[in-house]
Amino acid sequence: QKEVEQDPGPLSVPEGAIVSLNCTYSNSAFQYFMWYRQYSRKGPELLMYTYSSGNKEDGRFTAQVDKSSKYISLFIRDSQPSDSATYLCAMSGASNTGKLIFGQGTTLQVKP
Amino acid sequence: DADVTQTPRNRITKTGKRIMLECSQTKGHDRMYWYRQDPGLGLRLIYYSFDVKDINKGEISDGYSVSRQAQAKFSLSLESAIPNQTALYFCATSDPGLEGSGANVLTFGAGSRLTVL
Repeated sequence: QKEVEQDPGPLSVPEGAIVSLNCTYSNSAFQYFMWYRQYSRKGPELLMYTYSSGNKEDGRFTAQVDKSSKYISLFIRDSQPSDSATYLCAMSGASNTGKLIFGQGTTLQVKP
Repeated sequence: DADVTQTPRNRITKTGKRIMLECSQTKGHDRMYWYRQDPGLGLRLIYYSFDVKDINKGEISDGYSVSRQAQAKFSLSLESAIPNQTALYFCATSDPGLEGSGANVLTFGAGSRLTVL
């Protein structure tokens, strides 16, 4: 069993829809939870990060962490065609080594 | 110029050949990483370096070696390439002090696509 599981999709939604992306994990030592966005032929770029449990909002994006369920989510409101990309969840423990464990990535397509 | 530059962007080689992928960064970060991305597997850590004299194996280091030539340069070598090393390779740097939280936020290069025939 992988430490971090993420549905690879693809996920296709109409423009303006609310998108929900999710990851589950098995290692209770994870403390930092991140979402990276990767456009085609580009490197991943950090979208949001959260420490421990709770919610974090940044514009149209909301990240949620539920440590009791070992489940994290990224919500995208009013999705746009420019949001079409692969979204990768990533996690690390409290030791701050920078060794991230990534999910497989979910490919999202937002249709105009 | 990009913060993290990888060369070459694309490379096709044959089994048994020695290959070097190079990475340079202008962010002034001490920490550098090499990750490999495969479809369905996400990114996996090959090697990481916290400074010029500190190099560590990651999750999948077998068949790879690295060299940290300077704070800004970190190269990945495949001494004898094999087909299952066909993948997209990413170099990254990190800033452990983001907002004082201790989170290591990675900045990635654009990737080097390697095909081993």
